[in-house]
Order: sequence, then structure tokens, then C-alpha cells
Amino acid sequence: GAGVSQTPSNKVTEKGKYVELRCDPISGHTALYWYRQSLGQGPEFLIYFQGTGAADDSGLPNDRFFAVRPEGSVSTLKIQRTERGDSAVYLCASSPTLAGRNNEQFFGPGTRLTVL
Amino acid sequence: AQSVTQLDSHVSVSEGTPVLLRCNYSSSYSPSLFWYVQHPNKGLQLLLKYTSAATLVKGINGFEAEFKKSETSFHLTKPSAHMSDAAEYFCVVSDPEEYGNKLVFGAGTILRVKS
Repeated sequence: GAGVSQTPSNKVTEKGKYVELRCDPISGHTALYWYRQSLGQGPEFLIYFQGTGAADDSGLPNDRFFAVRPEGSVSTLKIQRTERGDSAVYLCASSPTLAGRNNEQFFGPGTRLTVL
Repeated sequence: AQSVTQLDSHVSVSEGTPVLLRCNYSSSYSPSLFWYVQHPNKGLQLLLKYTSAATLVKGINGFEAEFKKSETSFHLTKPSAHMSDAAEYFCVVSDPEEYGNKLVFGAGTILRVKS
């Protein structure tokens, strides 16, 4: 079946602009996660959703970052007033339930964001 | 405090020789541990996972890892490297009591395989 998909695969924008990154999870997966991977580092947690609600947004770096999942499926990560330091690969993952001890998170290919 | 430490940022081996990628973790409770692989321009793929069952875990493509609680280690091994193993490998910890439902990644180890 289809895996996690993310669009666009690449996004180049100018400093100060607004961007939206989209994630389509695996059908039926109730938990959805966003991570950010900066150059030379491992992915870092941003936010996760259980259904439509953000269960933990403690990884969002500041209030320029926001994510929604209005119907409990597709999610959009929104970044306002982008800065050069936001340049990274943004990864989305999903799992059948809240991932914890026994569940694997399935990752998408990522969106590479470049802020000029 | 660093939750997951991958001891080598780069490892280089010759094709056909053993692979060892080292990982140490810190957790106050009973973690689950994973190894993910990331090939260039590809998504993260799960290699194997430890979730409190057998301490020696076998994964895909001939990889295996051993959970050693006394050493807080979860090193990844493979008896014989193949050219297709060249990629970046991430050791990952999951512990709902300590970290909530997020995965905590190490910084990654880039594996180079020489012909």
C-alpha cells in the first residue's frame, strides 16, 4: 500500500515569506508526527497529533511554527516569516496508534526547505 | 543530557568485512530502541527494533543489534558489508515515561563501504 507522502519534495523561498508543507499519512494511521532534520544532525521532534488534536507541540521552536490536522488525516506544517535558520528537511511520520514501546513510526521522504 | 549517543560520526569498512556502529543511550525507565537507515534522497527505513523481548534483535539485510542494559548500549552489527549498505544510520530511543510519544534520534553515523 501507499506509504507516507510529503509535498513538495523541495521548497525554496525567500526570507520573510510564508510556507506550507503537507503530509499525507498512511491510511488509517491515527498518530502523525513532524520532525526537522538540520544538516549533519539527526531528526528532532516538532509536534505530534492523535487524531485532530495536537497532543504534544513541545518541539516547535517558536510561535512562527504551527501545524494543523483538521480532519484527522492530512496535516500541514505552516511556517511564518521564514528565516535562513529554518532551512532543513522536514520529515513527517505516522503510526497506527500513539507510538511508544511497541509501535514503529513510518516516515515520509521529507520536504527539503531552503530559505534564501 | 544527551539521550542517544552515536559514538562515531563516520565509519569506513571494506566490502565483505564486518560492520559495527556503536550506540549508547540514557533512560531512567525501560526504553525501546530502534535503528533506522537513511539512503541519500530516500526516507528513513526501520532496520530493527528492541521492545523488551529478546535482547538480540535481528533486522533486515543481515543486520542485528544487542540490547545490553548494564552497558546502556545498543550496537548495530553485520557480519559482511555490502556496497548497498552505504548510508546514514540512526540509533533511536523511545520511552513514553521519559520522552512522551516522540522518538529521540542520535546524530547519525555515515557508513562508507569501500570496494
